[in-house]
Amino acid sequence: AQKITQTQPGMFVQEKEAVTLDCTYDTSDPSYGLFWYKQPSSGEMIFLIYQGSYDQQNATEGRYSLNFQKARKSANLVISASQLGDSAMYFCAMVPYNSGNTPLVFGKGTRLSVIA
Amino acid sequence: DTGVSQDPRHKITKRGQNVTFRCDPISEHNRLYWYRQTLGQGPEFLTYFQNEAQLEKSRLLSDRFSAERPKGSFSTLEIQRTEQGDSAMYLCASSLSVEQPQHFGDGTRLSIL
Repeated sequence: AQKITQTQPGMFVQEKEAVTLDCTYDTSDPSYGLFWYKQPSSGEMIFLIYQGSYDQQNATEGRYSLNFQKARKSANLVISASQLGDSAMYFCAMVPYNSGNTPLVFGKGTRLSVIA
Repeated sequence: DTGVSQDPRHKITKRGQNVTFRCDPISEHNRLYWYRQTLGQGPEFLTYFQNEAQLEKSRLLSDRFSAERPKGSFSTLEIQRTEQGDSAMYLCASSLSVEQPQHFGDGTRLSIL
């Protein structure tokens, strides 16, 4: 079975500072995808960034980067230059590619609050 | 690309009533997923369609729940004889392939009185 662990229920960061949101995962599948989603208070789930298990380089998308450490089974999200609009719930999720299961498995999320 | 749309956004109903939700995926996406999210939790998988075929169902999907995707385009999720525990946000997502990110709709928030 697959499992995502997000150990930080809540985080605070000063505007314009960088912040790292932790994510560890567990799977026996050698091929998988890791995703981060943002969920503002309005409820929609917004895709942020993707990392494939065989990707050699860490993924980056604008101010978002994924610090992928395969041996440690961690996929931390780094947000640079935080903005007030970054305040939201952030979910780490994964899909194993070879197990026959295709839905996303989510962690419990981290609530990020950006302080002016 | 108009995104995934869900209808209604909110549904309030009395316990014991039936409710039906609709999801319109991104037009070229053949994979469609339903998730349920309760307060303070991440979304949990309910069921998955590839085109019109329902290929996976979670154990969360009791016999009161049924989902269809009759022509491989939009999907409906019906809950019969609703219970208090059905109160949640119901999210629909679609994707092109298992390696591609799933794109979510805004969800339907169900409240059972």
